Amino acid sequence: GENVEQHPSTLSVQEGDSAVIKCTYSDSASNYFPWYKQELGKGPQLIIDIRSNVGEKKDQRIAVTLNKTAKHFSLHITETQPEDSAVYFCAASKNQFYFGTGTSLTVIP
Amino acid sequence: EAQVTQNPRYLITVTGKKLTVTCSQNMNHEYMSWYRQDPGLGLRQIYYSMNVEVTDKGDVPEGYKVSRKEKRNFPLILESPSPNQTSLYFCASSLGPKGRLLYEQYFGPGTRLTVT
Repeated sequence: GENVEQHPSTLSVQEGDSAVIKCTYSDSASNYFPWYKQELGKGPQLIIDIRSNVGEKKDQRIAVTLNKTAKHFSLHITETQPEDSAVYFCAASKNQFYFGTGTSLTVIP
Repeated sequence: EAQVTQNPRYLITVTGKKLTVTCSQNMNHEYMSWYRQDPGLGLRQIYYSMNVEVTDKGDVPEGYKVSRKEKRNFPLILESPSPNQTSLYFCASSLGPKGRLLYEQYFGPGTRLTVT
């Protein structure tokens, strides 16, 4: 089956700096790569996603890049704010979803 | 309001006592799924359903059962719970998959299960 690895497991940045979280996957058949944000006591919420026929996607301060050849994809958050503090999960999917182990992001005011 | 609901939100039970966690969505989504979340392991898919009467095993199906008799409901059944099934459980639904495309999953609020 698919194996998704996510790094780093924890990340602290100063407010206004950028944050980058990286994931790798093993199954070249995976074609959908969502990123979720989970706040304490809540279910995950989609923040951005990318399909295998696209290399990059941006939504305001959030961007995702996908390198199909290398089987890795990354989340970029620019101009971080304290409300960005949460746990972020990447996932890779064809029909079944495989999630990374999460990155706890702390934005220091 | 478009949402995924789960019940109960919290449950403490004993080993071997059958239980059901309900999941319902009001978005007419085809795809529904159950996950368990454990510290350091992220979310792992238990079962998923691409439509009514169609269910498939995820990564960790052992000890769980599901059914999809109606589009809106996808209950998770633990026939004989064991302590290693103590976890935080999430139900999710999605419009997809349509053909070979998948769509955003909407997650419920979670059910914290403790099996003693």
